Amino acid sequence: RKEVEQDPGPFNVPEGATVAFNCTYSNSASQSFFWYRQDCRKEPKLLMSVYSSGNEDGRFTAQLNRASQYISLLIRDSKLSDSATYLCVVTDGYGGSQGNLIFGKGTKLSVKP
Amino acid sequence: EPEVTQTPSHQVTQMGQEVILRCVPISNHLYFYWYRQILGQKVEFLVSFYNNEISEKSEIFDDQFSVERPDGSNFTLKIRSTKLEDSAMYFCASKLTSNQPQHFGDGTRLSIL
Repeated sequence: RKEVEQDPGPFNVPEGATVAFNCTYSNSASQSFFWYRQDCRKEPKLLMSVYSSGNEDGRFTAQLNRASQYISLLIRDSKLSDSATYLCVVTDGYGGSQGNLIFGKGTKLSVKP
Repeated sequence: EPEVTQTPSHQVTQMGQEVILRCVPISNHLYFYWYRQILGQKVEFLVSFYNNEISEKSEIFDDQFSVERPDGSNFTLKIRSTKLEDSAMYFCASKLTSNQPQHFGDGTRLSIL
């Protein structure tokens, strides 16, 4: 069974805090990795793709360790607007898969003033 | 920025009735997907569609479900005889190429009574 496991949360942090999310995935054939964010009752929105070398986008840094099948997301200087559920997402790399996505259940982040 | 659009935003249907959920993917995209999210649970893959045929489907996508791309713009999900457990948010997604991230529509909330 292909699974993506995430910290259960919720994470409640003050504005300006640094917060880290962790994720493990079971499908060693997964080829692509992403972090999406989802606001309450809204669609998932792509936050960033995750590359083997690690990548940064402003306050957001993502890391991937293929050997241990581990993905992380670091948010620095968190803002009130960062409050959302963060979804760790990998592609199903088996067979003729067209990159179907396997989602974690998400970690809820609440940033307080 | 181009968007995936879905209609209706909310559909209320009696159990046993047929329902059609509509999606207009981003215009030059080639890969199309349906996902669902039962309230409080993770996003789950239903079906992928490429080159005018189903590429892959999950075990959720049984004989009650079908998809169509009736013209160059629409991508529909039909549920023939709805059950109570079909109540969920249904998200359509599309992407341009196989290694691009998927972009999601804002979903249709399906409520089965």
